[in-house]
Amino acid sequence: EAGVVQSPRYKIIEKKQPVAFWCNPISGHNTLYWYLQNLGQGPELLIRYENEEAVDDSQLPKDRFSAERLKGVDSTLKIQPAELGDSAVYLCASSLGDRGTEAFFGQGTRLTVV
Amino acid sequence: AQSVAQPEDQVNVAEGNPLTVKCTYSVSGNPYLFWYVQYPNRGLQFLLKYITGDNLVKGSYGFEAEFNKSQTSFHLKKPSALVSDSALYFCAVRPRLGNQGGKLIFGQGTELSVKP
Repeated sequence: EAGVVQSPRYKIIEKKQPVAFWCNPISGHNTLYWYLQNLGQGPELLIRYENEEAVDDSQLPKDRFSAERLKGVDSTLKIQPAELGDSAVYLCASSLGDRGTEAFFGQGTRLTVV
Repeated sequence: AQSVAQPEDQVNVAEGNPLTVKCTYSVSGNPYLFWYVQYPNRGLQFLLKYITGDNLVKGSYGFEAEFNKSQTSFHLKKPSALVSDSALYFCAVRPRLGNQGGKLIFGQGTELSVKP
């Protein structure tokens, strides 16, 4: 069974340009997370979906970040326009709805804004 | 505010010696507790979790963790460290109840270095 798939693995863009990340969770996992991870630090939640509903987006900078999870399966995270400070690794994870279950992570997308 | 603390940025041990990576949390109720490991340029890999029951839980690669409710701690342990255990370790907590239930909160990570 495939794990959480993210693309692209690496992305370099100029500041003020838009960028999008894609995530395909494990089949059957109705909870999907997007995290931001700075070098050597713990992941910070950006947004959490239960099926197609964003149930926690309090940490998402809504002036420039947006996300969607149409049909409650795969998801995209977009930044427009990107800033230098957005350079980080963006991680996607998924889990079953039971809160006692572990989340499985993709390999992440490393974004560099120049 | 709900939080997870890993008081040591780095832990150094010699191969073959026991290791402990510390984690304490400040989350109301009885949260679910997790440990993850991250190798360079990789995503996080699940190691083990505490749901209920025995305070000592066993996980992947010979790791185990001890839950202490009174100290709100969940320390990761291994009886005999391997050089290949060198990586970044994250403790995570998920509240059981309330509108924060489902949210996975991470500590800042501990770099484990095992020397031959």
